This record gives sequence, C-alpha cells and structure tokens, in this order.
Amino acid sequence: GIQVEQSPPDLILQEGANSTLRCNFSDSVNNLQWFHQNPWGQLINLFYIPSGTKQNGRLSATTVATERYSLLYISSSQTTDSGVYFCAVSPSQGGSEKLVFGKGTKLTVNP
Amino acid sequence: NAGVTQTPKFQVLKTGQSMTLQCAQDMNHEYMSWYRQDPGMGLRLIHYSVGAGITDQGEVPNGYNVSRSTTEDFPLRLLSAAPSQTSVYFCASSYTRTRETQYFGPGTRLLVL
Repeated sequence: GIQVEQSPPDLILQEGANSTLRCNFSDSVNNLQWFHQNPWGQLINLFYIPSGTKQNGRLSATTVATERYSLLYISSSQTTDSGVYFCAVSPSQGGSEKLVFGKGTKLTVNP
Repeated sequence: NAGVTQTPKFQVLKTGQSMTLQCAQDMNHEYMSWYRQDPGMGLRLIHYSVGAGITDQGEVPNGYNVSRSTTEDFPLRLLSAAPSQTSVYFCASSYTRTRETQYFGPGTRLLVL
C-alpha cells in the first residue's frame, strides 16, 4: 500500500519562529489533508490540498503531486500551535476511499 | 450542529468482554470511518462506510464489526476485547468519501485489562 513519511518527527521552536513540515508519499494521490492534533487530543482539519497552494492565516500548505510531497508552513509560531501535525493521503488507484496517515510531526512551541 | 459525537469518552473492559462504541453525526455526511491511534503511530483505519447499508474494511479490521443502518450513526463493536485493542478510537465523517474535509469526533479512550 501507499507509504506516508513525515519529517521531522519532532520539532522544538521558540515563539515567533517559522517552520516547515514535510510529507512524502510513495504513490500518486487524489486526496491529501493536513491535520493538527492539539494537546487534548482533538483532531482539526487544516487543509484539503491534493495539489497546489493554500493559505489560512499564519499557516500555508503546498502540494507538488508530480514529485509526491507536501509542505506545511507555520509562520510566527505561537504556543497554541503546539501539538502533532498529521499528513493523510488517499491513493489515486486501489483504495482511493481510504485515508492513510503518516506518523506525524510533534511540534513544541516554547514561550 | 453538534458535529461528530462519540460515546463513551473513556471505558475500561476486561479481556473477553464486548462493547459498542457509538458515533453519530448531524451533518448529513455520506462517508464515515473509524480509526485507532496508538502511541507513536498515526491513525490507522479500521472500517469505513460510504453510505447507509455499505461498509468495508480498512487497514486493521480484525476484532471489530461495524454496521450503518442510518446516515447518522456508525457504531463500532468489539466482540471479544483483547489487551491489544487498548487504544484511542476516533470516528470521522465527510460529505462525500475521502475527497472532502474529514471531521473528527473527540475520541474514545479504551483500556482492556
């Protein structure tokens, strides 16, 4: 099946710093989503981005489907950005109705 | 809208016991799914449904049953709980299959002794 790798696994920042999280996937996809899991366990969808670039406030994401990767940018980080960021994909063929998650990047933003 | 709701929030079972984790959504979503999350892992798909009366297996279906008699509800049944099923379980839904934004419930923390 499709493989999803996220890097780095852990990231520690000072408040105000910028960061880039990466998601590599092993096959073509028709769906890619980024999620944030806060320290209380709640999962929130950040972006639905199978291709192209989107921005929402301090967060933006870019997916280059032909090169099989996606990037999540966090600018001017805040302590509330702490948590785990997951990338999830659906393969274009064979199992396109299933969402496969990476293992996540754990982000800690210190004041 | 309440969104996606899950009950119970926390449950302790003994090995061999059965139970049902409840999931409901009030957004008229066609697609619903169950995931389990274990320490250091991402979420792994257990079962999913693309509409009432239609279910299919995900990545880790063994030991779990599902049914979808209505659009709103998608219960997950553990037939004979095992310690390996200790995990946090999340239910999710989206308007049409996985092509749309997934909305997650708050999770059910299950401990099997």
